[in-house]
Amino acid sequence: DGGITQSPKYLFRKEGQNVTLSCEQNLNHDAMYWYRQDPGQGLRLIYYSQIVNDFQKGDIAEGYSVSREKKESFPLTVTSAQKNPTAFYLCASMTGGVPDTQYFGPGTRLTVL
Amino acid sequence: AQKITQTQPGMFVQEKEAVTLDCTYDTSDQSYGLFWYKQPSSGEMIFLIYQGSYDEQNATEGRYSLNFQKARKSANLVISASQLGDSAMYFCAMREGLNRDDKIIFGKGTRLHILP
Repeated sequence: DGGITQSPKYLFRKEGQNVTLSCEQNLNHDAMYWYRQDPGQGLRLIYYSQIVNDFQKGDIAEGYSVSREKKESFPLTVTSAQKNPTAFYLCASMTGGVPDTQYFGPGTRLTVL
Repeated sequence: AQKITQTQPGMFVQEKEAVTLDCTYDTSDQSYGLFWYKQPSSGEMIFLIYQGSYDEQNATEGRYSLNFQKARKSANLVISASQLGDSAMYFCAMREGLNRDDKIIFGKGTRLHILP
């Protein structure tokens, strides 16, 4: 089945460690996105990529990094520079059709110990 | 100023009743798109319905319809004949412009509880 997968579902990290969240899609979508969601809040955009080997900062990019070496994959690294990384992270891809709609993965819940 | 406002943090509705979730938006663009997503307790965001700013008719998808009032900048989601499985967070979102680069902005959500 076509879809977006994120792994792991739960992730625990010690302070000062970098950690990478995986996002893979087999929908053949060009555009991919990373969002952060805090309790009781909406989604805030971290990074997005419209095409392979290109990506742009979103509203809260500080302390995060991404790469887009393959169309199917858009991993997010949460670095030690991110002051408050505990959150729920959602990856999405965009259809490119009409309407141009975002579809989401199941999310990764990151907890910093 | 907030681009997307959802004024109802939480709602309780009896099963089988219709429910309206409010959403107002703020934009000066003529071209924009409005989305509603459902987020169950599992966390995944599920796309429900879309309305384009130039669409003359209100969007409908099964039990979901979008009450689009352009002059009021309102895009309320209506769920008919609510079911227990409708209990979830609901997010209204907007993309200003219709280009791929235009970002989607989300509201803070409404938590809907369906009572048996």
